[in-house]
Amino acid sequence: DTAVSQTPKYLVTQMGNDKSIKCEQNLGHDTMYWYKQDSKKFLKIMFSYNNKELIINETVPNRFSPKSPDKAHLNLHINSLELGDSAVYFCASSQLLAGGAYNEQFFGPGTRLTVL
Amino acid sequence: GNSVTQMEGPVTLSEEAFLTINCTYTATGYPSLFWYVQYPGEGLQLLLKATKADDKGSNKGFEATYRKETTSFHLEKGPVQVSDSAVYFCALSDLRLGAQKLVFGQGTRLTINP
Repeated sequence: DTAVSQTPKYLVTQMGNDKSIKCEQNLGHDTMYWYKQDSKKFLKIMFSYNNKELIINETVPNRFSPKSPDKAHLNLHINSLELGDSAVYFCASSQLLAGGAYNEQFFGPGTRLTVL
Repeated sequence: GNSVTQMEGPVTLSEEAFLTINCTYTATGYPSLFWYVQYPGEGLQLLLKATKADDKGSNKGFEATYRKETTSFHLEKGPVQVSDSAVYFCALSDLRLGAQKLVFGQGTRLTINP
């Protein structure tokens, strides 16, 4: 049973195209995230949704638009792809616990996006 | 803002050696601290965590102690095995209303030779 799944695993596309990456979690968590990992392995948060509501938006270009149809899904749509968008994109989820703490974030396997 | 600094990699050791990967942080308040591990071609997995000062997180022979006085959370293991080869990330949590933002260090690639 995959806890956090992403599709596709690999995505190769031309500059200027529009593409989407999908993420689903079956953990019952109420919060989901998108992270970007660049070629030097540096990881940075992009977005976070809690129960379909955008909570964190970390100065990501408007070309990136997350969409959360329900709390188990958080998709990432990217318009007008640029060379610099090439990276590995990770989805994650976590759950708010009693007392205001969060459990650990569970990560998906990643989507390697290559823009040519 | 909050930040995490890890020792530069790559780190190469022989099997059975003792490992230390340094991690220091800058944060307002008292964040929770984490070590995540990324094996080749995979996503990140939580290795261990500590939620308050002097807590020691441990898992699979790895340990790290939350040191508030030195703002550090160094990862240690001895002896290491070839299967420990991976990229290790130190992170702190920055709680927002409704979400938990993880701030990561730059990652340290560890290679263990037989």
